[in-house]
Parts: sequence; C-alpha cells; structure tokens
Amino acid sequence: TQLLEQSPQFLSIQEGENLTVYCNSSSVFSSLQWYRQEPGEGPVLLVTVVTGGEVKKLKRLTFQFGDARKDSSLHITAAQPGDTGLYLCAGVRDNQGGKLIFGQGTELSVKP
Amino acid sequence: NAGVMQNPRHLVRRRGQEARLRCSPMKGHSHVYWYRQLPEEGLKFMVYLQKENIIDESGMPKERFSAEFPKEGPSILRIQQVVRGDSAAYFCASSQGTGDYTFGSGTRLTVV
Repeated sequence: TQLLEQSPQFLSIQEGENLTVYCNSSSVFSSLQWYRQEPGEGPVLLVTVVTGGEVKKLKRLTFQFGDARKDSSLHITAAQPGDTGLYLCAGVRDNQGGKLIFGQGTELSVKP
Repeated sequence: NAGVMQNPRHLVRRRGQEARLRCSPMKGHSHVYWYRQLPEEGLKFMVYLQKENIIDESGMPKERFSAEFPKEGPSILRIQQVVRGDSAAYFCASSQGTGDYTFGSGTRLTVV
C-alpha cells in the first residue's frame, strides 16, 4: 500500500490549460514537499509546506497543504511546454524526521 | 561545486559482483539520505546517516546492502553480490537537518 497516493499518474494537456495534481494520505505529515524531476536527473525541490491550510505560490504554480495536514495539491495555471516533467510529492511524518515518503509521481506532458 | 555529487553516474555490474556508490553531500551538510527508484515506481527511502552514525536504516534490505558515512570522505552505499533486481537509480540527498533536502543526480546501476 502506498502511504501517499498521488493522482493522476499521467497527464497530457495542451499549452495554456490549467491542471491540478493531488497528493492524499490517511496519515498526518509534519511537512510536505513538492519536487520536479527531469529524465536522468535527481528531484529538485519546488516548495515545502508545513502549516495546515498553508498556500504558497511560485509564479504559475500554487501549492496547498490541507487543513488536517493529510493532503496537498499542486495547481499550474496556463501550462507551458517547459512545465513538462515528473512531479513528486513527499512528506515527513511526525517523529520520523529525515525520512521522506514519496508519492508515485505525476508525469506531465504539455503539448504546444 | 555546491551541489550533492554522486559517482559514478552509470555503473554496470555482472551478477555476483559488488557495487559501490559514492555520495559527497553539499558543503556544510552533515545529514545524508539514500533512496532507490525502480522503473515505474517512486523513490523509496533506504537509509539516513549522520557522520559516523546510522540514524534510520528501516528501508535497507536485510542482506547484501550496507551504508556508511565516515568522518572523512563521502558516504558509501555498498551492494554485495548484486542481482538483476538491484538494477535501479540510486539517489543521495543531503541536508543540514532542517528539512531542506538537496538531491544528487543519481547513480544508475545496471546488473547484467
């Protein structure tokens, strides 16, 4: 069983469309992070959210941490081909500092 | 050279040989983490080390796998008597212990 369920696993959209990726769990996380991974490279940290209900914006990307700290979402506005990549959510559970639990990832393809 | 350095980038081993993967953390980081990414799967935590100490090895297979982070030099993930199922991308991350993780570009191990 996957502790962090990420959906959808694959997403193919046209340039200019909006999209949302979800990361859900039945467990509480002390923090949750979103990463982007390019082929042949390691994950690169996009954002960390630590407070329930927290919203962070990074240009056209909006990240939200659920009130109960069990879920998170990543919303991209007006997607561009440069957004294409693998997006990963990862959480740290209480009292397990240092151990990131990753979702399965969302493979996003934005077509021009 | 401020990033997490992993080498080699690609490693080919025959079944039964040993694989040694190296990770030099970012300058100033004393916490090192190893993750494994199998094809079509997300990243899975393996082990968390601080200088000369293993903090959490709950993700390490019970046999053939070991990790160290000596006082001087890089962290080493060692896989003895490799089997085809060990073929994967192995990523190292480092942090100052504050929750900001920086990942290396990974070592892609192929067992033939």
